[in-house]
Amino acid sequence: DIQMTQSPSTLSASVGDRVTITCRASQSINSWLAWYQQKPGKAPKLLIYAASSLETGVPSRFSGSGSGTEFSLTINSLQPDDFATYYCQHYNGFSTYTFGQGTKLTIK
Amino acid sequence: QLQLQESGPGLVRPSETLSLTCAVSGGTISRSSYYWAWIRQAPGKGLEWIGTIYYSGATYYNPSLKGRVTMSVDTSKNQFSLKSTSVTAADTAVYYCATYSGGKAFDNWGQGTLVTVSS
Repeated sequence: DIQMTQSPSTLSASVGDRVTITCRASQSINSWLAWYQQKPGKAPKLLIYAASSLETGVPSRFSGSGSGTEFSLTINSLQPDDFATYYCQHYNGFSTYTFGQGTKLTIK
Repeated sequence: QLQLQESGPGLVRPSETLSLTCAVSGGTISRSSYYWAWIRQAPGKGLEWIGTIYYSGATYYNPSLKGRVTMSVDTSKNQFSLKSTSVTAADTAVYYCATYSGGKAFDNWGQGTLVTVSS
């Protein structure tokens, strides 16, 4: 089974900062990676799919990169609304969906 | 825009069967490019994929759930369902239904429903 490992588990930053969250796959997953944002009590929201494609309606300060086993989510110029938990996910269409353990982004 | 709504009992007794339904509106569950999924999240924990179903009835389940899970689809009612047998406290979680469409991963989610397993 493919394992997804995110780092860091928690991240403290200030409004206006640029932050990067990393996700590593235990074997190559090409570009089959998504990123989600989750706020307390809410369903996750898709931000990025296919490693670097921005979901419709998601602000352009969010970007994704990587392929193979190393991926990252970058948020430029953090806004107050961005403080949340972020998950990466490997998916392959029908039979495999594996989430990372999450990264909680908090206000410094 | 698709909308998904979970429904079902909020409390299930240990060893009994958990049953949830996801009603789909704003589109047809029979759309060929869509898969339908259940995901859960235990309190304070991360996300766990439970299983996926296609409108034809084809299914794929998370092997870690060891055969306790069954999903079904009712195209006439535009909904799909989840059953999990022999539940324990470890099955206490918020259960979400979601869609996978056109290679975009889970781009539509229900609001989630909390299921507590307790006597």
